[in-house]
Amino acid sequence: AQKVTQAQTEISVVEKEDVTLDCVYETRDTTYYLFWYKQPPSGELVFLIRRNSFDEQNEISGRYSWNFQKSTSSFNFTITASQVVDSAVYFCALSDYKLSFGAGTTVTVRA
Amino acid sequence: DGGITQSPKYLFRKEGQNVTLSCEQNLNHDAMYWYRQDPGQGLRLIYYSQIVNDFQKGDIAEGYSVSREKKESFPLTVTSAQKNPTAFYLCASSKGLAGTEETQYFGPGTRLLVL
Repeated sequence: AQKVTQAQTEISVVEKEDVTLDCVYETRDTTYYLFWYKQPPSGELVFLIRRNSFDEQNEISGRYSWNFQKSTSSFNFTITASQVVDSAVYFCALSDYKLSFGAGTTVTVRA
Repeated sequence: DGGITQSPKYLFRKEGQNVTLSCEQNLNHDAMYWYRQDPGQGLRLIYYSQIVNDFQKGDIAEGYSVSREKKESFPLTVTSAQKNPTAFYLCASSKGLAGTEETQYFGPGTRLLVL
């Protein structure tokens, strides 16, 4: 069985604050892949990042950064200096034999 | 421009009616998927297809049917047997099948409402 838990349902911040989204996963497999997607109000899911289970190196891409910790089965996502355009639902997903999504975290950035 | 298109953007279904949602991709991807999204929930897999003329049930296939006659197209029919069809439907594709390192890319979605 596999499971992805995004414990935060909604997060509201003021522009320029940092936002960290938590993702905890469960899988029995040793080889798996983790993803983050963004769903803006338009509805389309936008791919942000993919990591494999053998690569625990943290990654930074512009204002986005990801912290993968296999020991705690977590793959957290941070938006630095948030902007109004970051307002969206963010999904964490796990791929071992299929792709399973968490319930999503709604981020609202207020001007 | 490579991408995934879904039509229509909004679809209204009457009781007892079958409706078909279109999904087309020009990414030359082998695998295609249909997901259902309900408010406040993540995506749930309805059907997926790895190659032409082959498809598999996902977690919530009851009341839905699909076909894959062309690599580019993967239409979803919501049948009258689906008693609660109101949802946002997302189509996705990937170069290979999920369960590998392949990334799924998504279309803009179709919102289905029951009249």
